[in-house]
Amino acid sequence: AQKITQTQPGMFVQEKEAVTLDCTYDTSDQSYGLFWYKQPSSGEMIFLIYQGSYDEQNATEGRYSLNFQKARKSANLVISASQLGDSAMYFCPWRNDMRFGAGTRLTVKP
Amino acid sequence: EPEVTQTPSHQVTQMGQEVILRCVPISNHLYFYWYRQILGQKVEFLVSFYNNEISEKSEIFDDQFSVERPDGSNFTLKIRSTKLEDSAMYFCASTRGMGTDTQYFGPGTRLTVL
Repeated sequence: AQKITQTQPGMFVQEKEAVTLDCTYDTSDQSYGLFWYKQPSSGEMIFLIYQGSYDEQNATEGRYSLNFQKARKSANLVISASQLGDSAMYFCPWRNDMRFGAGTRLTVKP
Repeated sequence: EPEVTQTPSHQVTQMGQEVILRCVPISNHLYFYWYRQILGQKVEFLVSFYNNEISEKSEIFDDQFSVERPDGSNFTLKIRSTKLEDSAMYFCASTRGMGTDTQYFGPGTRLTVL
């Protein structure tokens, strides 16, 4: 089974600065994908961005971008210009078997 | 914008009782999922459902759990005899297809077993 690892249980960033949230995976599949979801304190799960293994470019979606390094099996989320509303838990589940890692709690400081 | 809905938002039950959690997936979606998240812990996959049958389930999804799509819109999770450790947030999700399609999550049902 694929394994997702998020090594940062908690991260802090100053408002307006960029932050990178790590996500590594372990798979022998050739075709796969990773999602990033945000879960604010209210509890809902919000889709942010998707990266497929055959995508030639790193995915971007507004202030969110993925630093996808296939050889290193990592798909780190970069949030630029952090906002206070970015404070939340962040998860990177594995495509559609959707195994979740432990998540990273991001706190944006004013 | 279409969204996944779940009812109730909060359910309180006594240990040993049966509960049914309800979900209405996005109407043109074909794949449905249940997850749970014990407070402060990670999200855990329970089961996926396609074409009126379970396509995958986790080790958590034992005989106490069942899922059903009783009509064209609802997708339910039943817990036959609840235990204290079933207390969690339960999320329903749906996706149009497999592979790269994004899963859209419902707002969750918080189940409290007393």
